[in-house]
Amino acid sequence: KNQVEQSPQSLIILEGKNCTLQCNYTVSPFSNLRWYKQDTGRGPVSLTIMTFSENTKSNGRYTATLDADTKQSSLHITASQLSDSASYICVVSVSGGYNKLIFGAGTRLAVHP
Amino acid sequence: EAQVTQNPRYLITVTGKKLTVTCSQNMNHEYMSWYRQDPGLGLRQIYYSMNVEVTDKGDVPEGYKVSRKEKRNFPLILESPSPNQTSLYFCASSSRWGARATARSPLHFGNGTRLTVT
Repeated sequence: KNQVEQSPQSLIILEGKNCTLQCNYTVSPFSNLRWYKQDTGRGPVSLTIMTFSENTKSNGRYTATLDADTKQSSLHITASQLSDSASYICVVSVSGGYNKLIFGAGTRLAVHP
Repeated sequence: EAQVTQNPRYLITVTGKKLTVTCSQNMNHEYMSWYRQDPGLGLRQIYYSMNVEVTDKGDVPEGYKVSRKEKRNFPLILESPSPNQTSLYFCASSSRWGARATARSPLHFGNGTRLTVT
């Protein structure tokens, strides 16, 4: 069964600190993995996309990694800001021409001053 | 500004009273989709459309209908809403989808419609 599991469910950190969010998936065949940021009361917004051959991709203070062998991805946030408070959703796309995206339940991050 | 617009943002209704949530995108995207988001669960796909007059069921289509008469619009219809359809709904669009998606073709989401059915 295609699944995407994210951990932790929620996380509280202090402003300026770093954090890492995890995404494990059992999706096959794998096409790509995308991280979205969802602010409260808004729709998700894409942060980064990674294909099978990519190990690391950065978008400002956000760095995503992908280990296709272990089927794990992480999103690292550096020097957190209050505006990073949001839910972060891992989405894996199934290959083969399907219109299939498997969504994780998200990690809710709260950055406190 | 490129955007996906959903209306209304909030809706409270009673069981059995038909309702429509509208969705419109101004990016000329071929692909559009509806999702529902419930606490503790990932976004679940209700219906999707790959182009005008082409729609298909997602993972949780029961109790919903859609239509795609124009490229920009993709309304979600609840013919007889029930309390288990209380949820946060998102419409999304993309120039590409699934395996064809690239870094330049993420899903663009609307800001959601919070529906309560009593």
